[in-house]
Formats: sequence, C-alpha cells, structure tokens
Amino acid sequence: GNSVTQMEGPVTLSEEAFLTINCTYTATGYPSLFWYVQYPGEGLQLLLKATKADDKGSNKGFEATYRKETTSFHLEKGSVQVSDSAVYFCALSSGGSNYKLTFGKGTLLTVNP
Amino acid sequence: SAVISQKPSRDICQRGTSLTIQCQVDSQVTMMFWYRQQPGQSLTLIATANQGSEATYESGFVIDKFPISRPNLTFSTLTVSNMSPEDSSIYLCSVGREARAEQYFGPGTRLTVT
Repeated sequence: GNSVTQMEGPVTLSEEAFLTINCTYTATGYPSLFWYVQYPGEGLQLLLKATKADDKGSNKGFEATYRKETTSFHLEKGSVQVSDSAVYFCALSSGGSNYKLTFGKGTLLTVNP
Repeated sequence: SAVISQKPSRDICQRGTSLTIQCQVDSQVTMMFWYRQQPGQSLTLIATANQGSEATYESGFVIDKFPISRPNLTFSTLTVSNMSPEDSSIYLCSVGREARAEQYFGPGTRLTVT
C-alpha cells in the first residue's frame, strides 16, 4: 500500500535560517505529491504540489522537487520567518480511480525571532 | 480551489450522545472526504462520500459509528454516534475533483467529549 514517511519533529529554527523537511514515499503507480500546512487552530492549506517526476512545486518561498529515483519530495525554504511556524504534512495521491490522500505524520516547525 | 465551511466549529459533548457535523462547498464537487485528526496526530481518512451512493469506509471505521450523508454535490454530513472521550478529535471534510489531484480542506470541527 501507499505510505509517506517524513522527518520527525519538532524542528526549531531561528528567523532567516534554512529549512529542510524530509519526505519519502512508497506508492503504486505514479502518485501526485503534496505539501500541506496547518497553522495553529486552523485547517489544512495546500502549500505546493508536483504531479510528475522532476516537477518542482513552489509557493511562498517554499520549494519541493519530485524525485522518482529516490522516491522523495523534500520541502525547503531559504529563509524562514516567524510566520512560517506551523505543522507541515507531506501527502500523496496515487493513480487510477483512487482519490485517497495518504499523509505523513506531520512536522512541527517553530521559528524564533 | 474551493471554499469549504463546516458547522459547528467546535463543540463539547457528553459521552453517549451524538453530534452531526455539516460540510458545505461553494461549488459542485465529485468527491467529498471525512478525516479525523486526533490531538497531535496526522490525518486519518474515515470515509469517502459519493453523491447518490453509500459512503466507502476505511478500515477501522464503521457506518453505525460514523453515518454519512451526501444528498447533493455541495453538501455532506458526518455523525459521530454514541460518543466516548476517545472520539475527541478534530474532524475535517475535504473535497477533490479528480484522481491524483489535490484536496481542499474545511476549517475543521473541534470535538471534545466529556
């Protein structure tokens, strides 16, 4: 079956530091890959996505590249801000008629001023 | 994208009672989903709600405990029945338009069972 493994948190950084949150996956077929963000007390928001190998998703300074050879989709940001403090979830959706999203366990990021 | 609202946003309920959560979307969508997020945990899919047919439940979730309705393409309800403190969670609905595509989430319903 499908699974997503992401870096255990929590992650604590200082403002303007470089961020990497690792995500690897196991899936049948050719999945689409996503990063979602959940700010405190809120629902999930789609941060970025990639639908095929070598695609790069980007949004709000965050980037992730779909690496089929390493089955990875690591999230990066060059300079984090306090407002980036949130829980980040890596997720995938596989092909065929299956709409189901499979989530990783989430990584709590805290950015200190 | 889609704009999704949920009611109620939060509730505190006594054990043994039931709560129905509503999910409304601003446009017609094929697939609606219900997830549970237990405190400090990731999301677990409860069921997929298809308009005009029975919901499809994931392993570990049953219709008697979590009955779902999907009367049209913009609305769904999830009922949490005969609640116990273990049902204290955030319940989120989401919508999807096609296979392998992103889902959009509602703000969630924070349920506390005492």
